[in-house]
Formats: sequence, structure tokens, C-alpha cells
Amino acid sequence: AQSVAQPEDQVNVAEGNPLTVKCTYSVSGNPYLFWYVQYPNRGLQFLLKYITGDNLVKGSYGFEAEFNKSQTSFHLKKPSALVSDSALYFCAVRDLGRDDMRFGAGTRLTVKP
Amino acid sequence: ETGVTQTPRHLVMGMTNKKSLKCEQHLGHNAMYWYKQSAKKPLELMFVYSLEERVENNSVPSRFSPECPNSSHLFLHLHTLQPEDSALYLCASSQDQTPVDTIYFGEGSWLTVV
Repeated sequence: AQSVAQPEDQVNVAEGNPLTVKCTYSVSGNPYLFWYVQYPNRGLQFLLKYITGDNLVKGSYGFEAEFNKSQTSFHLKKPSALVSDSALYFCAVRDLGRDDMRFGAGTRLTVKP
Repeated sequence: ETGVTQTPRHLVMGMTNKKSLKCEQHLGHNAMYWYKQSAKKPLELMFVYSLEERVENNSVPSRFSPECPNSSHLFLHLHTLQPEDSALYLCASSQDQTPVDTIYFGEGSWLTVV
């Protein structure tokens, strides 16, 4: 069965500092991993995905994520956080042979000025 | 603008009412989805349609009834709902249903059942 975990409900960082939002996954085959962001009263917006190839994936708004197969992780990172990055972030995984995308519970990122 | 449009954005309905949520995608995608987002719970997949055929129904109560008249439109018909059905209902689409396809979401419809 496929599953994804976001171990932190809340991440707080100061503006200008690097940020990391953690995600670990479990799949039976090759993982296909996604990050989404949700701003208040909005739907989910796609940030980036890992399918194959380079373990470092670059996405929208300066975000990137690093795929680590040995640690089964796909952490979201940004070198310098902005206050406007404050939102709810979801990690998701898809697996061959499954029709659905499994989402983590979400991590609320707060960036303080 | 994600290319997936949901209406209405907000809906308040009584437990005996019948209402519908509408979704339209302008992306030329072949698959469409309904998700439910409740407070403090992971996103729940409700229904999946691929080329207008329902391919998955995750044991959703019959008071929720989906309809996909064509590949661009998806409806969620609601009747005799319960207060615990109050949530954000998200429509989404993807090019196809392969694992590499990105799912794109609409802005959601906030449903309150009173």
C-alpha cells in the first residue's frame, strides 16, 4: 500500500532563513512524488514533482525538493523564506497500479517577518 | 487561475435539501476527480472519472452522487446530507490517470450543512 507522512504539523521560520518541510513515503514500487501548497480559502496548487532522473527537483516560487531513496524521503526546501510562503503544504505519492494519489496530512508553514 | 473552475464557491444547505456542485476544466484533460477536505483529516478521494467513465468510488455514501456528462464537466449531486458532510469539496483533473500525471485542483466549494 502507498502512504505518505508529514511528521510536522507546524513549521515556523524567520523571513530570509532557509526552510524545510519534511515528507516520507512508502510504496511497493517506484514512487511518484508531488508537493502542493494551499493558501487560505483556496484550492491546492501544484509546486513540483519527482518522476525519475535528478534527485533534486526545482519547482514554482523558488521551491525545490530532494528525493532520497535510501531514506524514503522527499523534503521540500527553499533557500530564503518569504512571509508570503506562509501556507499549508501537502506531500503526495502515486504508485504504479493505483488510481489515486495519497496525500499527507499537511504541514502549516508560518514565516515571520 | 488553474484551469479548473468550481461553482458555487460557498453553499449552505439544510439536511433535506438537494443541491449540486459543478466543476469545469479547460485543460483538455481526460480524468476528473472529487476530493473532500475536512479539518484535521487528510484529503479523501471520493470519485474518479476517466474518459467519462467512473473508475473509482471510495465507498462514498449514496447521498453523494457524481455525474460526468463529458470530459470537461463534473457534477456532485447532494441530497439529505448530514452536518458532518460540511467540508471543502475539491474538484481536480489530470491529463490521464497514469502515476506521472499531475493533478490540478480547482479553488474548491465550501459546503456547510445545517
